[in-house]
Amino acid sequence: GAGVSQSPSNKVTEKGKDVELRCDPISGHTALYWYRQSLGQGLEFLIYFQGNSAPDKSGLPSDRFSAERTGGSVSTLTIQRTQQEDSAVYLCASSPYWGEQYFGPGTRLTVT
Amino acid sequence: EDKVVQSPLSLVVHEGDTVTLNCSYEVTNFRSLLWYKQEKKAPTFLFMLTSSGIEKKSGRLSSILDKKELFSILNITATQTGDSAIYLCAPISNFGNEKLTFGTGTRLTIIP
Repeated sequence: GAGVSQSPSNKVTEKGKDVELRCDPISGHTALYWYRQSLGQGLEFLIYFQGNSAPDKSGLPSDRFSAERTGGSVSTLTIQRTQQEDSAVYLCASSPYWGEQYFGPGTRLTVT
Repeated sequence: EDKVVQSPLSLVVHEGDTVTLNCSYEVTNFRSLLWYKQEKKAPTFLFMLTSSGIEKKSGRLSSILDKKELFSILNITATQTGDSAIYLCAPISNFGNEKLTFGTGTRLTIIP
């Protein structure tokens, strides 16, 4: 079946602009996660959605970052007033409830 | 604070060698530990370990968990160039949000 998809695959933006990254999880998966990976760094947890529960936003690095998940499916990660340190690969993953997470291909964000 | 330490950080071996990758962890309310292989952008799932002392195998890869000593190892026998990747371990805490804490990974390079 279809895996996790993300769009765009690459995004180049100017410092100060807002960006939206999209994630389509595997159908039926109730849990959805956003991570980012900066060059040479490990995966950094950003936010977690589980069903209709309030999301766990504990990993968001600043209030410029926000995410929503509509209808328990598609999720959008928004970064406002982008900074150069936001440049990274943003990964989305989904999970049936808990356990192994299936990752999307990621969005490579470059802030110039 | 949850902590995951992987060692070695980097490993270079010749094709055909056997390697052992280590992961030690400290997480609150540990539930399971996952191993991922990361090539290019997105990690792919390898193993989920929940019980201590039970080896999981998949081809040339195997992994085992020690919940008393809080570590896991990933073994790869008869390595091939396609095994070159970053290997990530991630314990899951049973803390109501199923958040993974990733180590920074072991970068494995297989020389032909």
